[in-house]
Amino acid sequence: AQSVTQLDSQVPVFEEAPVELRCNYSSSVSVYLFWYVQYPNQGLQLLLKYLSGSTLVKGINGFEAEFNKSQTSFHLRKPSVHISDTAEYFCAVSDWQGAQKLVFGQGTRLTINP
Amino acid sequence: EAGVAQSPRYKIIEKRQSVAFWCNPISGHATLYWYQQILGQGPKLLIQFQNNGVVDDSQLPKDRFSAERLKGVDSTLKIQPAKLEDSAVYLCASSSGGAGGVEQYFGPGTRLTVT
Repeated sequence: AQSVTQLDSQVPVFEEAPVELRCNYSSSVSVYLFWYVQYPNQGLQLLLKYLSGSTLVKGINGFEAEFNKSQTSFHLRKPSVHISDTAEYFCAVSDWQGAQKLVFGQGTRLTINP
Repeated sequence: EAGVAQSPRYKIIEKRQSVAFWCNPISGHATLYWYQQILGQGPKLLIQFQNNGVVDDSQLPKDRFSAERLKGVDSTLKIQPAKLEDSAVYLCASSSGGAGGVEQYFGPGTRLTVT
């Protein structure tokens, strides 16, 4: 079974500042890793995913994440945030086999202050 | 391409009543998922369909929740009778299935309040 821990429930930052949202996972098998974003009153939208290959993954809206197998982490970063990035961010894992269901972390609320 | 459609968007019911949610996935998507998202938590998978068949319903409270996917397209999730702890957003998602790591596309969700 897999589990995901998002280390910060809330992250406030100023506009144009860099941000890192932290995610650690636990699994006894190899996994795929995802970051989803949820804007208010909307469903989840995929930001980026890691399947294999380069450990640095680039996604939409200027976000990127780095897979670190030894530390079982998949932290999300953006060098300069905008007001429009205010949202809830979810890290998720699925295993390579079986039904490949997504197991989500509890989410990190990113608040951008002007 | 139309996204995943869900209805209703909001529903308020009293405990012990029944409720049903409807989902229309992206055309051609073989895999359909229902998630429960309780306030302050990440989504939790309730049930996964591959075409008409159930792939995973291990976290579905089968004494009160049921789901079906007729003809491998639309799906309905029902709760009967509802409890206070069922208050949550119910998200439907679909994917093309096939190889692992495929993206799941989410609908806007149905916000259920049980009073």
